[in-house]
Amino acid sequence: DVKVTQSSRYLVKRTGEKVFLECVQDMDHENMFWYRQDPGLGLRLIYFSYDVKMKEKGDIPEGYSVSREKKERFSLILESASTNQTSMYLCASGSGRAPGDTQYFGPGTRLTVL
Amino acid sequence: AQRVTQPEKLLSVFKGAPVELKCNYSYSGSPELFWYVQYSRQRLQLLLRHISRESIKGFTADLNKGETSFHLKKPFAQEEDSAMYYCALGTGGGNKLTFGTGTQLKVEL
Repeated sequence: DVKVTQSSRYLVKRTGEKVFLECVQDMDHENMFWYRQDPGLGLRLIYFSYDVKMKEKGDIPEGYSVSREKKERFSLILESASTNQTSMYLCASGSGRAPGDTQYFGPGTRLTVL
Repeated sequence: AQRVTQPEKLLSVFKGAPVELKCNYSYSGSPELFWYVQYSRQRLQLLLRHISRESIKGFTADLNKGETSFHLKKPFAQEEDSAMYYCALGTGGGNKLTFGTGTQLKVEL
């Protein structure tokens, strides 16, 4: 059973703080993704990675960076948190080896920036 | 650029009534279409994918390339179907997905 875990379910930070969101998957998947989920906007891709030390910008990368030092771990970094980054953050992983391969999602981290 | 449109934010139906959640996509290549579901307080999970042509929990979806649609259907709604449903478009390798804005399905007794 695929397991994607995220370091925190709830997080409260102050404006200007540096924030780290951690994601770990245990299925040896090559591909990992970070999304933010907002009511009325659906899921929007922030960054993704197809391999260790590789990263690609998604649709809304501004204000975020990522790190993938190990295959199983993908971190999302908010260099200087702002109130408009208050959101639900979802991590996902997938093998992407064949058409129709799905993504597996973590439980999400609800981040509030005050 | 690829795009997924789910026109309804909220769909409310009575138990036993048919359900159709609409999804239209825009993509010039060969699409892979998925429906994901998120039940209350649970993580987002795959419901079905067009390539499998399967029925899951009574739901089906047919890819119509002429109309660029992938509507999700169920003949008789159940209370446990109440959830948020997202349509997603896969484009090319690496299973990168573009999601729609989601439809909240509420099944009333």
